[in-house]
Amino acid sequence: AQSVTQLGSHVSVSEGALVLLRCNYSSSVPPYLFWYVQYPNQGLQLLLKYTTGATLVKGINGFEAEFKKSETSFHLTKPSAHMSDAAEYFCAVSEGSNYQLIWGAGTKLIIKP
Amino acid sequence: NAGVTQTPKFQVLKTGQSMTLQCAQDMNHEYMSWYRQDPGMGLRLIHYSVGAGITDQGEVPNGYNVSRSTTEDFPLRLLSAAPSQTSVYFCASSYRLDSNTEAFFGQGTRLTVV
Repeated sequence: AQSVTQLGSHVSVSEGALVLLRCNYSSSVPPYLFWYVQYPNQGLQLLLKYTTGATLVKGINGFEAEFKKSETSFHLTKPSAHMSDAAEYFCAVSEGSNYQLIWGAGTKLIIKP
Repeated sequence: NAGVTQTPKFQVLKTGQSMTLQCAQDMNHEYMSWYRQDPGMGLRLIHYSVGAGITDQGEVPNGYNVSRSTTEDFPLRLLSAAPSQTSVYFCASSYRLDSNTEAFFGQGTRLTVV
């Protein structure tokens, strides 16, 4: 069965510092990979996704993620954190034959001034 | 452009009461789903629908019913509320049933069962 692991339920970085949120998945076939962001008291919105092609994917708000098949990872990065990035971030995966999304537990990003 | 609209935003129920969480989308999406979000557990799929008149169970369906009489609406019914159903509920929709299609989420319903 597929699973998604997000390392760290909380990540704290200083404003202007690099953001790195980790996501590892287990899948026997090439997956589709997603990052969603949830701002306080709101629903989730798509940040970026990997389907096929280029393994470095750029999303909204300066975020990007790299699909590394050999490491079964899809880590999310942003070069310089902004206070507005404070939110919870979810990694999700689906396989070509199974449309249902499998979700990680989420990582809450805290930005220190 | 309303997207996915959920009502109510907050609800407190007593154990044993029933209620319906409403979800409507105006994007003519085929696929709709209900999730519950609990701390440290991510989102878990309750029920989903691939079109009007077609529904199926997800990972955690017990205690919940759904129906899909129109493309736009996908209500979630709690038959007899239990404290274990205290959670935040999200409705989502997507254009088609496809592994790489973006899901659009409502703002959630925060339910407390006492």
